[in-house]
Amino acid sequence: DIVMTQTPLSLSVTPGQPASISCKSSQSLLHSDGKTYLYWYLQKSGQSPQLLIYEVSNRFSGVPDRFSGSGSGTDFTLKISRVEAEDVGVYYCMQSIQLPPGTFGQGTKVEIK
Amino acid sequence: EVQLVQSGAEVKKPGESLKISCKGSGYNFASYWIGWVRQMPGKGLEWMGIIYPSDSDTKYSPSFQGQVTISADESVNTAYLQWSSLKASDTAMYYCARRRGSADYWGQGTLVTVSS
Repeated sequence: DIVMTQTPLSLSVTPGQPASISCKSSQSLLHSDGKTYLYWYLQKSGQSPQLLIYEVSNRFSGVPDRFSGSGSGTDFTLKISRVEAEDVGVYYCMQSIQLPPGTFGQGTKVEIK
Repeated sequence: EVQLVQSGAEVKKPGESLKISCKGSGYNFASYWIGWVRQMPGKGLEWMGIIYPSDSDTKYSPSFQGQVTISADESVNTAYLQWSSLKASDTAMYYCARRRGSADYWGQGTLVTVSS
């Protein structure tokens, strides 16, 4: 099984400051079709998870451009250029190269200072 | 508008059976995998399994194989998650999500509480 490891597990950020979350996979997420099956989600308190980034670096519909994803192979990063109060919650990376049906990281809790 | 609407919260006793549902609308239900995710209290997200409604091809995560059954009825655009004998450890929030690579749309969640 592919293991997804996120760091840090918690993050306290001053509004307007940047934030960065790392996600490492135990195997490469690059598929033979050329795509890399790495995604980022945000789960706000009491809500369902919401897709932020798909295939490493593509923002999902309606996601603000302060969110960006990067990386390749086994190392990936989610960056928030200027954290806002509405960005608090738990962020998860997820791989879907290996089915069934994929695995999530442990989650990174982001709070506002 | 794509929507996944899940059935309501359930309170059950250990040993009882349960089937929860997830109804899709706003897209071609048969053409996307639907997955189920467990979130135990205060914990992270775990994929349980996925199903392709048009042919009912189903794939389970090893941890959930044999513990639950995932099914779908294309005629009513609905996927199901069922247990034959609940345990207290099944207490959790359960989410369905539309899958095609990513899980782009999610249901609102169904809280299942199993307690004697």
